[in-house]
Amino acid sequence: QSDLTQPASVSGSLGQSVTVSCTGTSSDIGGYKYVSWYQQHPGKAPKVLIYDVSYRPSGVSNRFSGSKSGNTASLTISALQPEDEADYYCSSFSIRSSLLVLFGGGTRLTVL
Amino acid sequence: EVQLVQSGPEVKEPGESLKISCQGSGYTFAKFWIAWVRQMPGKGLEWMGIIYPDDSDTRYSPSFQGQVTISADKSISTVYLQWSSLKASDTAYYYCVRPTLNGNSIRYIDSWGQGSLVSVSS
Repeated sequence: QSDLTQPASVSGSLGQSVTVSCTGTSSDIGGYKYVSWYQQHPGKAPKVLIYDVSYRPSGVSNRFSGSKSGNTASLTISALQPEDEADYYCSSFSIRSSLLVLFGGGTRLTVL
Repeated sequence: EVQLVQSGPEVKEPGESLKISCQGSGYTFAKFWIAWVRQMPGKGLEWMGIIYPDDSDTRYSPSFQGQVTISADKSISTVYLQWSSLKASDTAYYYCVRPTLNGNSIRYIDSWGQGSLVSVSS
């Protein structure tokens, strides 16, 4: 049972868009702007896609975007490519404990 | 370029002790917090704890308090994760990570080690 709730899987066709949700509480996602998203391919370490809710690190495709509404954050991937097939994890700061990060359970994206 | 290089895979038996390492380079190692993240086979990410190498200030996630020990040797830019008595349920990949903070608030993880696989089986 993860602290943040994500769908176990989502799928989309090549060229389409998909959105992955991540639901927390007012003590984490809803109350603060420190939401991040990570992509993990099989056998690889995760890498950051989005930080501070909606900012992309340099080098990350602008097909990835993040947003937040209330206690739910979202990652949208547009123009799906085969290489987008991976696991995606959300993460958030929590007021309940400093210097600790909450993770979602992860969402497996299948590109059809 | 920030790099976190972790020690290699380990195969251990239940009850044995183990210490894995993570060496940082490309930045002022002692002045940045380093954390450990567990990923059990086929499962998600779990935050274990974090250490500030300069003074070894360490904080543990409640789930891992008393189960592992995190330490650092800033003279060789290395952080460690150790177990005194391994269990089969400790089988997992362990990642060292460098978070970016704002004060004491972790904004996100900007760097990851390559992961260390620990296998515990009799």
